[in-house]
Amino acid sequence: EVQLVQSGAEVKKPGESLKISCKGSGYSFSTYWIGWVRQMPGKGPEWMGIIFPGDSDTRYSPSFRGQVTLSADKSISTAYLQWSSLKASDTAIYYCARQRYSFHAQKFYGMDVWGQGTPVAVSS
Amino acid sequence: DIQMTQSPSSLSASVGDRVTITCRASQTISSQLNWYQQKPGKAPKLLIYAASSLHNEVPARFSGSGSGTDFTLTIGGLQPEDFAIYYCQQSDSPPLTFGGGTQVEMK
Repeated sequence: EVQLVQSGAEVKKPGESLKISCKGSGYSFSTYWIGWVRQMPGKGPEWMGIIFPGDSDTRYSPSFRGQVTLSADKSISTAYLQWSSLKASDTAIYYCARQRYSFHAQKFYGMDVWGQGTPVAVSS
Repeated sequence: DIQMTQSPSSLSASVGDRVTITCRASQTISSQLNWYQQKPGKAPKLLIYAASSLHNEVPARFSGSGSGTDFTLTIGGLQPEDFAIYYCQQSDSPPLTFGGGTQVEMK
């Protein structure tokens, strides 16, 4: 079964650092892009960026560039999303998802496999 | 960034109704448009990719159409399990932006 399993819920204080994870199984992890999506309470999803675990090529949304860091360790089929200094406004559910891409057409398609989400609460 | 605008933001419908949701891109995106369904407390699920291709195991009552800037998701015969929020997403160029969502509620 193809799946992405994310790390558990986090409760942090403003200014703290955090790294959450997303472990893939059932497919060749290094050959599919992994995307990260933020969903703030009661709001729609926001695309944060993607990483290609095979070579760690990364694309960030301008809204999130400099605010978070994407990384991946293909040897353990795991992608990461990290913050160096959290803010209260980072409170949200964070999803990882497999981002389909056609190397032949050089086009992205849908996000077809999703993790269960990692709730992050930041409060003093 | 490409902006995605969905309409309506919410609608009320009954089981068996035909439901249509629209999505407009701020610039042409060819057929690079995806649709997702999200239920409370769950991750979004891919329904349609490339504007009109049905994802695996998605019921045939869901269909998508459009190209360029204007797209449509149609549910042909609403079922009880279809009450949810629906989002479009463009995948033409990063950032791969989502629309604001359409909540389909029971009348």
